[in-house]
Amino acid sequence: KAGVTQTPRYLIKTRGQQVTLSCSPISGHRSVSWYQQTPGQGLQFLFEYFSETQRNKGNFPGRFSGRQFSNSRSEMNVSTLELGDSALYLCASSSGQGSIGELFFGEGSRLTVL
Amino acid sequence: KNEVEQSPQNLTAQEGEFITINCSYSVGISALHWLQQHPGGGIVSLFMLSSGKKKHGRLIATINIQEKHSSLHITASHPRDSAVYICAVRSNTGNQFYFGTGTSLTVIP
Repeated sequence: KAGVTQTPRYLIKTRGQQVTLSCSPISGHRSVSWYQQTPGQGLQFLFEYFSETQRNKGNFPGRFSGRQFSNSRSEMNVSTLELGDSALYLCASSSGQGSIGELFFGEGSRLTVL
Repeated sequence: KNEVEQSPQNLTAQEGEFITINCSYSVGISALHWLQQHPGGGIVSLFMLSSGKKKHGRLIATINIQEKHSSLHITASHPRDSAVYICAVRSNTGNQFYFGTGTSLTVIP
């Protein structure tokens, strides 16, 4: 069974641009969650999707958005990039229907904002 | 205010030693996760707990829901155990995830 796939793995953007990151979950998993990891703040929860619906959202500005498609693939978008958005963005998939489910993480997308 | 506190922040051990990493949390939870992250690497889920104790090989995780505390134990530690260990909880209100700052473990041969 293939693992969680995130693309692109690395990208460089400039301030003010926007970026879209993609996450393909493990086959059969319907839940996808997104996280930001920085040296200063550690891991922080962005949002979670289940069956194309956003279940919950972390404490991030509206510039951070996401969606999930009918095949469970998910994308997150960051608009009007700021230097502080430089981070490793991780997604995880889970088979759990409710709030209980083991998390399977992708390798992450490392974003650098110049 | 940190919803999840881990200790110690850094830990150095000799190969073969018994290791304990602690996690305390302040919110009601539906699940607690122990995660492992190697330098430059992705994150691997070690355990998901909602009660009691789980064991996988040399790793043991326990949780005390009443005391809002969990521990991760590594028996007979090995240099390949060197990694950052992160405690994460899923709150039972709002389904938010909260993360500890991680424990950086180095096991010396």
